Amino acid sequence: GDSVTQMEGPVTLSEEAFLTINCTYTATGYPSLFWYVQYPGEGLQLLLKATKADDKGSNKGFEATYRKETTSFHLEKGSVQVSDSAVYFCALSERLRGGYNKLIFGAGTRLAVHP
Amino acid sequence: DAGITQSPRHKVTETGTPVTLRCHQTENHRYMYWYRQDPGHGLRLIHYSYGVKDTDKGEVSDGYSVSRSKTEDFLLTLESATSSQTSVYFCAISDGTGAREAFFGQGTRLTVV
Repeated sequence: GDSVTQMEGPVTLSEEAFLTINCTYTATGYPSLFWYVQYPGEGLQLLLKATKADDKGSNKGFEATYRKETTSFHLEKGSVQVSDSAVYFCALSERLRGGYNKLIFGAGTRLAVHP
Repeated sequence: DAGITQSPRHKVTETGTPVTLRCHQTENHRYMYWYRQDPGHGLRLIHYSYGVKDTDKGEVSDGYSVSRSKTEDFLLTLESATSSQTSVYFCAISDGTGAREAFFGQGTRLTVV
């Protein structure tokens, strides 16, 4: 079945550092790819998405490019802030029988940014 | 923010008791999902619904049942709670169009003692 693998955390960075969180996937067909962010005590919020190869999703300074040749969707940000401290989840949308969909998540990567 | 309300937000219950969690949406989305979140596992799908009275099992459905009698409400029931069901439960909704992303509620933290 489809699966998502993302780098283990925690990732600890200083403010203004460059961020990369790696995500690779295994899927049949052409799934949509997502990054979600979870702040402490809250639900998951959609951060960005991409629906086809070479698409670049971007939001709040974060970017990720759908790379079909490497089956990857790495999350990047040029300059992180303390407020970016959270858990980040990579996910793909798997089509189920009957045309329905479910999200398959990676295990999550905790990011801690220090002043 | 998508209009999704989960209740209760926190619950402590005893082993062997039944528990029902509620998810209420105001978006009129067709698809609703229940996930559980556990350390090291990300989120795993318990059950989902693709319409009123139409539900199906996810990857970790044992010990759980669901019901959807109205578009806006999706109930998750633990028939006889066990300690292994201690988790954070998230409801999600999707309209199934475009990228087919889902929007999540705030979660219910359930502790089974």
